[in-house]
Amino acid sequence: GQSLEQPSEVTAVEGAIVQINCTYQTSGFYGLSWYQQHDGGAPTFLSYNALDGLEETGRFSSFLSRSDSYGYLLLQELQMKDSASYFCAVNSGGYQKVTFGTGTKLQVIP
Amino acid sequence: SAVISQKPSRDICQRGTSLTIQCQVDSQVTMMFWYRQQPGQSLTLIATANQGSEATYESGFVIDKFPISRPNLTFSTLTVSNMSPEDSSIYLCSVVLQGGGTQYFGPGTRLTVL
Repeated sequence: GQSLEQPSEVTAVEGAIVQINCTYQTSGFYGLSWYQQHDGGAPTFLSYNALDGLEETGRFSSFLSRSDSYGYLLLQELQMKDSASYFCAVNSGGYQKVTFGTGTKLQVIP
Repeated sequence: SAVISQKPSRDICQRGTSLTIQCQVDSQVTMMFWYRQQPGQSLTLIATANQGSEATYESGFVIDKFPISRPNLTFSTLTVSNMSPEDSSIYLCSVVLQGGGTQYFGPGTRLTVL
Protein backbone atom coordinates (compact mmCIF):
# COMPACT_ATOMS: atom_id res chain seq x y z
CA GLY A 1 0.00 0.00 0.00
CA GLN A 2 0.87 3.65 0.03
CA SER A 3 1.62 5.81 3.03
CA LEU A 4 2.81 9.38 3.34
CA GLU A 5 3.75 11.17 6.53
CA GLN A 6 3.90 14.89 7.22
CA PRO A 7 3.98 16.99 10.38
CA SER A 8 0.44 17.80 11.43
CA GLU A 9 1.03 21.45 12.28
CA VAL A 10 3.68 24.10 11.74
CA THR A 11 3.75 27.70 12.94
CA ALA A 12 6.05 30.31 11.43
CA VAL A 13 6.47 34.07 11.49
CA GLU A 14 5.56 36.33 8.59
CA GLY A 15 8.60 36.94 6.38
CA ALA A 16 10.39 33.81 7.56
CA ILE A 17 11.15 30.53 5.77
CA VAL A 18 9.44 27.25 6.57
CA GLN A 19 10.08 23.71 5.39
CA ILE A 20 7.39 21.01 5.36
CA ASN A 21 8.74 17.49 5.12
CA CYS A 22 7.14 14.44 3.57
CA THR A 23 8.27 10.83 3.75
CA TYR A 24 6.55 8.18 1.73
CA GLN A 25 6.30 4.45 1.15
CA THR A 26 4.84 3.47 -2.15
CA SER A 27 5.11 1.20 -5.14
CA GLY A 28 5.23 2.32 -8.73
CA PHE A 29 6.42 5.82 -7.89
CA TYR A 30 6.16 8.43 -10.64
CA GLY A 31 6.55 11.66 -8.74
CA LEU A 32 5.75 13.79 -5.71
CA SER A 33 3.28 16.65 -5.82
CA TRP A 34 2.38 19.40 -3.39
CA TYR A 35 -1.04 20.97 -2.96
CA GLN A 36 -2.29 23.92 -0.96
CA GLN A 37 -5.76 24.04 0.54
CA HIS A 38 -7.27 27.01 2.33
CA ASP A 39 -10.10 26.41 4.76
CA GLY A 40 -13.30 25.84 2.83
CA GLY A 41 -11.50 25.71 -0.49
CA ALA A 42 -10.41 23.05 -2.94
CA PRO A 43 -6.81 21.82 -3.15
CA THR A 44 -4.70 23.71 -5.66
CA PHE A 45 -1.54 22.42 -7.28
CA LEU A 46 1.79 23.92 -6.23
CA SER A 47 4.57 21.76 -7.64
CA TYR A 48 5.57 18.38 -9.00
CA ASN A 49 8.93 16.58 -8.77
CA ALA A 50 9.57 13.53 -10.90
CA LEU A 51 13.35 13.64 -10.58
CA ASP A 52 15.72 14.21 -7.69
CA GLY A 53 16.54 17.79 -6.91
CA LEU A 54 15.03 21.16 -6.26
CA GLU A 55 12.26 22.80 -8.28
CA GLU A 56 11.69 26.49 -7.71
CA THR A 57 8.51 28.40 -8.47
CA GLY A 58 8.55 31.90 -7.09
CA ARG A 59 8.50 31.85 -3.30
CA PHE A 60 7.86 28.11 -3.24
CA SER A 61 10.43 25.37 -3.86
CA SER A 62 10.05 21.62 -3.71
CA PHE A 63 12.72 18.97 -3.28
CA LEU A 64 12.75 15.26 -3.93
CA SER A 65 15.14 12.46 -3.04
CA ARG A 66 13.87 9.22 -4.55
CA SER A 67 16.55 7.13 -2.86
CA ASP A 68 15.44 8.42 0.55
CA SER A 69 11.69 8.40 -0.28
CA TYR A 70 11.65 11.95 0.99
CA GLY A 71 10.65 15.36 -0.17
CA TYR A 72 9.96 18.79 1.20
CA LEU A 73 8.18 22.00 0.37
CA LEU A 74 10.03 25.22 1.15
CA LEU A 75 8.09 28.43 1.52
CA GLN A 76 10.09 31.66 1.61
CA GLU A 77 9.11 35.19 2.56
CA LEU A 78 6.03 33.89 4.30
CA GLN A 79 2.85 35.91 3.99
CA MET A 80 -0.28 35.73 6.08
CA LYS A 81 -2.16 34.36 3.06
CA ASP A 82 0.13 31.30 3.12
CA SER A 83 -1.76 30.06 6.18
CA ALA A 84 -3.36 26.91 4.82
CA SER A 85 -3.04 23.15 4.78
CA TYR A 86 -0.33 21.65 2.60
CA PHE A 87 -0.51 18.12 1.26
CA CYS A 88 2.19 16.06 -0.36
CA ALA A 89 0.91 13.47 -2.79
CA VAL A 90 2.45 10.56 -4.62
CA ASN A 91 1.69 9.93 -8.28
CA SER A 92 1.68 6.23 -8.93
CA GLY A 93 0.00 3.73 -11.14
CA GLY A 94 -0.42 3.73 -14.88
CA TYR A 95 -3.33 6.13 -14.78
CA GLN A 96 -1.95 8.93 -12.66
CA LYS A 97 -3.47 7.74 -9.45
CA VAL A 98 -2.63 10.18 -6.66
CA THR A 99 -2.42 9.32 -2.98
CA PHE A 100 -2.42 12.24 -0.55
CA GLY A 101 -0.45 12.63 2.64
CA THR A 102 -1.92 13.44 6.00
CA GLY A 103 -1.54 17.18 5.49
CA THR A 104 0.30 19.93 7.37
CA LYS A 105 -1.60 22.89 8.74
CA LEU A 106 0.61 25.96 8.46
CA GLN A 107 -0.15 28.97 10.57
CA VAL A 108 1.67 32.19 9.75
CA ILE A 109 1.77 34.67 12.62
CA PRO A 110 2.70 38.37 12.58
CA SER B 1 -5.34 24.07 -16.69
CA ALA B 2 -8.91 22.85 -16.29
CA VAL B 3 -12.03 24.52 -14.96
CA ILE B 4 -14.25 22.18 -13.00
CA SER B 5 -17.69 22.84 -11.59
CA GLN B 6 -19.70 20.76 -9.16
CA LYS B 7 -23.36 20.71 -8.25
CA PRO B 8 -24.66 21.06 -5.64
CA SER B 9 -22.10 23.08 -3.70
CA ARG B 10 -23.66 21.92 -0.44
CA ASP B 11 -26.66 19.99 0.79
CA ILE B 12 -28.27 18.81 3.98
CA CYS B 13 -29.89 15.40 3.63
CA GLN B 14 -31.87 13.00 5.73
CA ARG B 15 -30.58 9.61 6.76
CA GLY B 16 -31.50 6.87 4.30
CA THR B 17 -31.81 9.11 1.25
CA SER B 18 -29.44 9.42 -1.71
CA LEU B 19 -27.70 12.40 -3.28
CA THR B 20 -26.21 12.67 -6.75
CA ILE B 21 -23.28 15.03 -7.23
CA GLN B 22 -22.46 16.31 -10.69
CA CYS B 23 -19.02 17.21 -12.01
CA GLN B 24 -18.48 19.13 -15.25
CA VAL B 25 -15.08 19.84 -16.85
CA ASP B 26 -14.37 22.44 -19.52
CA SER B 27 -12.19 20.06 -21.56
CA GLN B 28 -12.21 16.40 -22.51
CA VAL B 29 -10.37 14.16 -20.06
CA THR B 30 -9.87 10.44 -20.01
CA MET B 31 -10.08 9.93 -16.29
CA MET B 32 -11.96 11.68 -13.54
CA PHE B 33 -11.46 10.98 -9.87
CA TRP B 34 -13.79 11.24 -6.90
CA TYR B 35 -12.40 12.01 -3.46
CA ARG B 36 -13.85 12.34 0.01
CA GLN B 37 -12.45 14.70 2.60
CA GLN B 38 -13.77 14.59 6.12
CA PRO B 39 -13.36 17.69 8.28
CA GLY B 40 -9.73 18.33 9.13
CA GLN B 41 -8.60 15.21 7.29
CA SER B 42 -6.75 14.37 4.13
CA LEU B 43 -8.27 13.43 0.80
CA THR B 44 -9.27 9.81 0.29
CA LEU B 45 -9.77 8.48 -3.21
CA ILE B 46 -13.16 6.83 -3.66
CA ALA B 47 -12.92 5.77 -7.28
CA THR B 48 -11.58 6.49 -10.73
CA ALA B 49 -14.20 7.10 -13.42
CA ASN B 50 -13.22 6.09 -16.93
CA GLN B 51 -15.39 7.02 -19.87
CA GLY B 52 -17.00 3.98 -21.41
CA SER B 53 -16.11 1.51 -18.68
CA GLU B 54 -16.93 0.66 -15.09
CA ALA B 55 -15.44 2.84 -12.40
CA THR B 56 -12.55 1.46 -10.40
CA TYR B 57 -13.17 1.61 -6.65
CA GLU B 58 -10.59 1.86 -3.89
CA SER B 59 -10.50 -0.41 -0.91
CA GLY B 60 -13.36 0.35 1.45
CA PHE B 61 -15.64 1.82 -1.20
CA VAL B 62 -18.23 -0.17 -3.15
CA ILE B 63 -20.37 0.48 -6.18
CA ASP B 64 -23.65 -0.12 -4.36
CA LYS B 65 -22.88 2.70 -1.95
CA PHE B 66 -21.17 5.07 -4.41
CA PRO B 67 -22.43 4.42 -7.93
CA ILE B 68 -20.66 6.49 -10.56
CA SER B 69 -21.63 7.43 -14.08
CA ARG B 70 -19.32 8.71 -16.80
CA PRO B 71 -21.44 9.25 -19.91
CA ASN B 72 -18.89 11.38 -21.79
CA LEU B 73 -15.42 12.90 -21.57
CA THR B 74 -16.49 16.06 -19.75
CA PHE B 75 -19.02 14.88 -17.18
CA SER B 76 -19.41 12.48 -14.28
CA THR B 77 -21.76 11.89 -11.38
CA LEU B 78 -21.24 10.33 -7.98
CA THR B 79 -24.23 9.14 -5.97
CA VAL B 80 -24.01 8.71 -2.22
CA SER B 81 -26.65 6.09 -1.48
CA ASN B 82 -28.60 5.25 1.65
CA MET B 83 -26.81 7.99 3.53
CA SER B 84 -25.88 7.96 7.18
CA PRO B 85 -24.31 10.71 9.32
CA GLU B 86 -20.91 9.06 8.72
CA ASP B 87 -21.20 10.12 5.07
CA SER B 88 -21.08 13.77 6.08
CA SER B 89 -18.03 15.04 4.25
CA ILE B 90 -16.78 17.12 1.37
CA TYR B 91 -16.84 15.29 -1.95
CA LEU B 92 -14.45 16.49 -4.64
CA CYS B 93 -14.01 15.54 -8.25
CA SER B 94 -10.69 16.00 -9.99
CA VAL B 95 -9.05 15.43 -13.35
CA VAL B 96 -5.58 14.92 -14.70
CA LEU B 97 -4.89 16.52 -18.04
CA GLN B 98 -3.26 14.55 -20.82
CA GLY B 99 0.44 14.01 -20.24
CA GLY B 100 0.49 15.82 -16.92
CA GLY B 101 0.98 14.89 -13.30
CA THR B 102 -1.18 17.66 -11.95
CA GLN B 103 -4.63 17.10 -10.53
CA TYR B 104 -7.19 19.86 -10.85
CA PHE B 105 -10.00 19.87 -8.35
CA GLY B 106 -13.56 21.03 -8.42
CA PRO B 107 -14.81 23.30 -5.64
CA GLY B 108 -16.30 20.38 -3.74
CA THR B 109 -19.74 19.45 -2.45
CA ARG B 110 -20.24 19.83 1.28
CA LEU B 111 -22.67 17.15 2.44
CA THR B 112 -24.31 17.02 5.85
CA VAL B 113 -26.43 14.01 6.73
CA LEU B 114 -28.83 14.33 9.67
